Amino acid sequence: KQEVTQIPAALSVPEGENLVLNCSFTDSAIYNLQWFRQDPGKGLTSLLLIQSSQREQTSGRLNASLDKSSGRSTLYIAASQPGDSATYLCAVGPGNYGQNFVFGPGTRLSVLP
Amino acid sequence: ETGVTQSPTHLIKTRGQQVTLRCSSQSGHNTVSWYQQALGQGPQFIFQYYREEENGRGNFPPRFSGLQFPNYSSELNVNALELDDSALYLCASSFLEPHTQYFGPGTRLTVL
Repeated sequence: KQEVTQIPAALSVPEGENLVLNCSFTDSAIYNLQWFRQDPGKGLTSLLLIQSSQREQTSGRLNASLDKSSGRSTLYIAASQPGDSATYLCAVGPGNYGQNFVFGPGTRLSVLP
Repeated sequence: ETGVTQSPTHLIKTRGQQVTLRCSSQSGHNTVSWYQQALGQGPQFIFQYYREEENGRGNFPPRFSGLQFPNYSSELNVNALELDDSALYLCASSFLEPHTQYFGPGTRLTVL
């Protein structure tokens, strides 16, 4: 059974800092990994998708890496801004169609002005 | 703007009642997945529909059921509501491959 963990559970940083969020998963037989952002009480916004054959993806100030063999992904946020404050979730896509996508519990990020 | 919409936004029910939540997929997507997100936790997969057929199910009892219509919109039905069913219910639409999911804003269900 796939299990996904995220460290840290919460993080508070001053504006302008670079930061790294971590995601670990137990079963390396994944199809892809997706990072999401969730604002309080809202739905999920997709940030980056990494296919299992890829090592990283970049979008603006965000960079996500994937190491399938070690069961890890990181989300790097450069030059953080107060608007980046949200909960960040990673989700592991299944190795076979129809199986469930498994989410981590999220990292709650606060960027202080 | 993802194009995935859900209704209603909020809903209050009492224990034992039945509820229907609705989701309109992003244009062109043929797959819809439903998730339950309890407060402070990550979403938990309920089930997925592909071309009107259930295509996978998580660890939820049969009182959670769904439908997908020819236009790829979808419903989640929950019978015999329990207090623990209180959560944010999210739907996500996608193509079956490559699984990029686009989420709706969710329906907040409160069971009293």
